[in-house]
Amino acid sequence: QKEVEQDPGPLSVPEGAIVSLNCTYSNSAFQYFMWYRQYSRKGPELLMYTYSSGNKEDGRFTAQVDKSSKYISLFIRDSQPSDSATYLCAMSVSSNDYKLSFGAGTTVTVRA
Amino acid sequence: DTAVSQTPKYLVTQMGNDKSIKCEQNLGHDTMYWYKQDSKKFLKIMFSYNNKELIINETVPNRFSPKSPDKAHLNLHINSLELGDSAVYFCASSHSGGRTYEQYFGPGTRLTVT
Repeated sequence: QKEVEQDPGPLSVPEGAIVSLNCTYSNSAFQYFMWYRQYSRKGPELLMYTYSSGNKEDGRFTAQVDKSSKYISLFIRDSQPSDSATYLCAMSVSSNDYKLSFGAGTTVTVRA
Repeated sequence: DTAVSQTPKYLVTQMGNDKSIKCEQNLGHDTMYWYKQDSKKFLKIMFSYNNKELIINETVPNRFSPKSPDKAHLNLHINSLELGDSAVYFCASSHSGGRTYEQYFGPGTRLTVT
């Protein structure tokens, strides 16, 4: 069993829909939870990070962490075709932890 | 200005050959990484250097040898290439000291072994 499991997708949604992406994990020591976005043929880029449990909002993006369930989510509101990408969740034990554990990624296509 | 750059972008080679990938970052970071992304998009760390010192060395065949001549450069040399080495290799960099979760990735090197 992988340390981080991510809903495999792919997801295809119409423009304006809410996109919901999820990851579960097994290591209860994880404290930092990240979402990276990867456009086709590009490197991943950090979208958001959350420390411990709770919600974090950044524009149309909301990250949620539920440590009791070992479950994290990313919501994209009012999705746009420019949001079409692969979204990778990642986790680490501390802010000094060089090793990130990534999920396998979910590919999202937003149809105009 | 390109933050993390890699060369070459594409590499097509035959089994048994030796090849190198170069990476440079101009972000002033002190930590650099090599990742391998397979065809299913799974991103796996291979190596990491902090201030030219190897700090992560995952279970990788010893045909792979990283080298960091200075904090801004990290190279990856692969000997005796095999079909299973075909993947996209990403270089990344970050600060140490409390922000290692914020990693900046290069554009990737797409390696195809035939």
